[in-house]
Amino acid sequence: RKEVEQDPGPFNVPEGATVAFNCTYSNSASQSFFWYRQDCRKEPKLLMSVYSSGNEDGRFTAQLNRASQYISLLIRDSKLSDSATYLCVVKLNGGFKTIFGAGTRLFVKA
Amino acid sequence: EAGVTQSPTHLIKTRGQQATLRCSPISGHTSVYWYQQALGLGLQFLLWYDEGEERNRGNFPPRFSGRQFPNYSSELNVNALELEDSALYLCASSRTQQNTEAFFGQGTRLTVV
Repeated sequence: RKEVEQDPGPFNVPEGATVAFNCTYSNSASQSFFWYRQDCRKEPKLLMSVYSSGNEDGRFTAQLNRASQYISLLIRDSKLSDSATYLCVVKLNGGFKTIFGAGTRLFVKA
Repeated sequence: EAGVTQSPTHLIKTRGQQATLRCSPISGHTSVYWYQQALGLGLQFLLWYDEGEERNRGNFPPRFSGRQFPNYSSELNVNALELEDSALYLCASSRTQQNTEAFFGQGTRLTVV
């Protein structure tokens, strides 16, 4: 089983739609959580950290469920510019290894 | 503050040759990660170095190797290149602390012909 698993997609949604990505992690020692965004042929960049209480940044909401070992990213009112690959990232306690999921591709269409 | 830098940006090699890719982490970051991303595919974890030691290795053959230097910069070496090794190779660095994110370089695009 992979340490971090994501649905590779692609998710094809119309502009204005709400889309949600889930990510599961296998190591209960996972301590820190992030979502990254990767545009085509570019390097991944941090989108937002994920806090235990959940957090929101504009149209983006991230949530953590430690009991079920998954994190989620919700994008409301999708824009064409949201088209990208979204990567789930966990950082382990002890050693602080950072583990990236393979990513979920999102295409937002007009 | 300078970001993660990788060199070269592009590299073209022939089958059977060796490739060396370089990565300089952000100042203060001791961890360096290497990933392979083939065209249209997701990130595949290659190697993790921290404090000069190899901490973890992904599911890649031994011809993929690397090292981390005392200044925390890193090299990735790929021996006996195969056509399937053509990919974007990304390096990321981070601090060994909780709640600190990793930062990526712009990658080295390796083409094997």
